[in-house]
Amino acid sequence: QKEVEQNSGPLSVPEGAIASLNCTYSDRGSQSFFWYRQYSGKSPELIMFIYSNGDKEDGRFTAQLNKASQYVSLLIRDSQPSDSATYLCASLSGTYKYIFGTGTRLKVLA
Amino acid sequence: KAGVTQTPRYLIKTRGQQVTLSCSPISGHRSVSWYQQTPGQGLQFLFEYFSETQRNKGNFPGRFSGRQFSNSRSEMNVSTLELGDSALYLCASSIGQGLTEAFFGQGTRLTVV
Repeated sequence: QKEVEQNSGPLSVPEGAIASLNCTYSDRGSQSFFWYRQYSGKSPELIMFIYSNGDKEDGRFTAQLNKASQYVSLLIRDSQPSDSATYLCASLSGTYKYIFGTGTRLKVLA
Repeated sequence: KAGVTQTPRYLIKTRGQQVTLSCSPISGHRSVSWYQQTPGQGLQFLFEYFSETQRNKGNFPGRFSGRQFSNSRSEMNVSTLELGDSALYLCASSIGQGLTEAFFGQGTRLTVV
């Protein structure tokens, strides 16, 4: 069992819709969680991080964390074709190791 | 403010050779982590350095090694290259060990032939 799991997708949503990306993790000692966006052929870029239960909003992005269920999600409102990319979920373990999921490919259809 | 700089961007090596990759973190960042990214395995953690000390290590063979210098710049070395080492090697820097988010460099694309 991978330590951080994501559905590989592709997840297809129409332009303007809400895209919902999900991630589960196995290490209960994980402290913080990160969402990165990676365009094809490029390096990952940080979208946002969350470390407290609940929601955290930044512009069109909302990260949600539920430590009891070991579940993290990223919502993208008003999805744009430029949001089409692979989204990587990462956890920071209790031993200060970043552990990445394999990513979910998002396709926003114009 | 300059971002994370990795050199070289592209490398082609022959099986059995060794290679050294370099990473210069964001100014003021003391932690550097290295990752291997392949289509099948995703991003896999290699090791992390903080203040010139290796703090964490992933599940890679001893052919993969690294070091960090007093100016926080880091190098990664792979000896006796194998075809399966072909990958994108990414480094990421953060201010402190596990304290904040990590920012990635553009990566070094290594091809072993």
